[in-house]
Amino acid sequence: KNEVEQSPQNLTAQEGEFITINCSYSVGISALHWLQQHPGGGIVSLFMLSSGKKKHGRLIATINIQEKHSSLHITASHPRDSAVYICAVRVRGSQGNLIFGKGTKLSVKP
Amino acid sequence: EAGVTQSPTHLIKTRGQQATLRCSPISGHTSVYWYQQALGLGLQFLLWYDEGEERNRGNFPPRFSGRQFPNYSSELNVNALELEDSALYLCASSLGQGKQYFGPGTRLTVT
Repeated sequence: KNEVEQSPQNLTAQEGEFITINCSYSVGISALHWLQQHPGGGIVSLFMLSSGKKKHGRLIATINIQEKHSSLHITASHPRDSAVYICAVRVRGSQGNLIFGKGTKLSVKP
Repeated sequence: EAGVTQSPTHLIKTRGQQATLRCSPISGHTSVYWYQQALGLGLQFLLWYDEGEERNRGNFPPRFSGRQFPNYSSELNVNALELEDSALYLCASSLGQGKQYFGPGTRLTVT
């Protein structure tokens, strides 16, 4: 079993829909990252969080440390949001490296 | 402010050769991370450098090595290339163990 599990693997939405991507992990962590990867490979760091909730524009990330679960929400989705969204955790006490989920491929149709 | 840069963008090598990939972090960042993203395998941690020292490495053979220079730029070397080393190699930088900022990657193809 992977230490970081994401769901769903693939997601197709219509423009304007509210989207939720989930991430569950099985280890104690010091931080969780949400990343966005566009076709071609470039990765953008969206959020780093260790508790609570963060918001940036139409993106909201939440984390529940007790339940070892995080969600990434996209409000009023747009075709330009189409990308792979990756959850990554830094294990508590580890030396810097991240462990990655396999990603959720989001496609938003106009 | 310039982001993380990597060179070259693409690299084609034959099996058995050596590859050298380069990364320049965001100004002021002292930590550099290297990751491998092979087709269908997701991102995997390779190496972490901080203040010129290798701090941690992932589950990769010793032919994957690197270094960090006094200006905090970094180099990843892959010796005795194998076909399965074909992948996108991503570099990220951070200040301490804060948010990591990723470069555009180097796509290595081994034939």
